[in-house]
Amino acid sequence: EIVLTQSPGTLSLSPGERATLSCRASQSVSSSYLAWYQQKPGQAPRLLTYGASRATGIPDRFSGSGSGTDFTLTIRRLEPEDFVVYYCQQYVTSPGTFGQGTKVEIK
Amino acid sequence: EIQLLESGGGLVRPGGSLRLSCAASGFTFDTYAMSWVRQAPGKGLEWVSGISGPGGTTYYADSVKGRFTISRETSKSTLYLQMNSLRAEDTAVYYCACGYPRFDYWGQGALVTVSA
Repeated sequence: EIVLTQSPGTLSLSPGERATLSCRASQSVSSSYLAWYQQKPGQAPRLLTYGASRATGIPDRFSGSGSGTDFTLTIRRLEPEDFVVYYCQQYVTSPGTFGQGTKVEIK
Repeated sequence: EIQLLESGGGLVRPGGSLRLSCAASGFTFDTYAMSWVRQAPGKGLEWVSGISGPGGTTYYADSVKGRFTISRETSKSTLYLQMNSLRAEDTAVYYCACGYPRFDYWGQGALVTVSA
């Protein structure tokens, strides 16, 4: 089973700043099979990106990148609604696995 | 608009059974693989089970294999999860999701609590 480790656990930033979230895999993952999800309090997760593509309706300030074992979710300019939790997921092998999450909080 | 609406959650004793349903709308149900993903209170996400579009192939996490059964009823655009031999560690919000192994759309979730 591929283990995904997200860092940092909590990221403290101000609105308008750039956020860089990391997801490291225990073995190589094709970038086409790495997704990022956003979860707001009390809500279901929402698909943000898969590979280098954005899901339907996702603003272009969100972008996914990376290869091999190191992947990044970048939020170009943080909006107030972006201060929530983010999960990465790999689905190149079964079972697909999630990282433990990164919380982005207001500094 | 794609909508997924779970029902059937609740409180059940250890060893008991429960069936979750997920009513889907806004897309051609029988062409999409579907999944169940759960989240224990205050914890992260865990994929539980998936089923192919036509329903011929099912997939299970090791933690639920042999206890849970996923199925779908195309005529009702409904996904099911039959959960037997429930344990305390199965306590979680169970989300229905469109897609497998990637989850493109999610329902609002159903809370399952396993407790004596």
